[in-house]
Amino acid sequence: EVQLVQSGAEVKKPGDSLKISCLGSGFVFGEYLIVWVRQRPGKGLEWMGSINPEDSETTYSPSTYSPSFQGQVTISADRSISTAYVQWSSLKSSDSGMYYCARRRIYMDRGVHRIPGGLGPWGQGTLVTVSS
Amino acid sequence: DIVMTQSPLSLAVTPGEPASISCRSSQSLLHSNGYSYLDWYVQRPGQSPQLLIFLASHRASGVPDRFSGSGSGTDFTLKISRVEAEDVGVYYCMQNLQTQFSFGPGTKVEIK
Repeated sequence: EVQLVQSGAEVKKPGDSLKISCLGSGFVFGEYLIVWVRQRPGKGLEWMGSINPEDSETTYSPSTYSPSFQGQVTISADRSISTAYVQWSSLKSSDSGMYYCARRRIYMDRGVHRIPGGLGPWGQGTLVTVSS
Repeated sequence: DIVMTQSPLSLAVTPGEPASISCRSSQSLLHSNGYSYLDWYVQRPGQSPQLLIFLASHRASGVPDRFSGSGSGTDFTLKISRVEAEDVGVYYCMQNLQTQFSFGPGTKVEIK
């Protein structure tokens, strides 16, 4: 079964550092883009950024970020253990929310061409609470 | 950046009746391969989002055929032919033409 399993809920104080994870199984992790999405309480989905785990070993800047998250988080991956990460060096209360990882599916167009086929599966989410 | 808008932002539907949600992008999502890079997701209460439709009109595996997607370029529509109680949730469109993806604000679907 293809699945993504995320690390557990975290409660942190402003200024703390944090690294949450997303473990993939049932597929070749390095062949798929992994996306991170934030959802603040009662709000909509925000695309944070993405990483191709295969590029994380060969490219200096393998991740792509939303302008809203550039410089605020670091997205990384370790293909050898099929895991992607989001990291904060200094949390703010505004970082509180649910964080989801998802895999970008591949659709075989006419059985020949590999093109993006939506995001799925999604992880179960990691709730991050930042409060003094 | 591509900005996504949706309408309506909330919708109350009688079971068995149809529902329709519109999504618009600030730039065309049409790729040179002929596909529009627009997906639809549903987030049911307390759950992670789930893929419904990809490439504007391709239904994901396991999604009931009462869900359909249409549109191309900048205007897209998600239709539910006969709403059921389990369809309650928030529906999001998302563009993934650019390397920086973006979601619409979401449409909350409730049952009357």
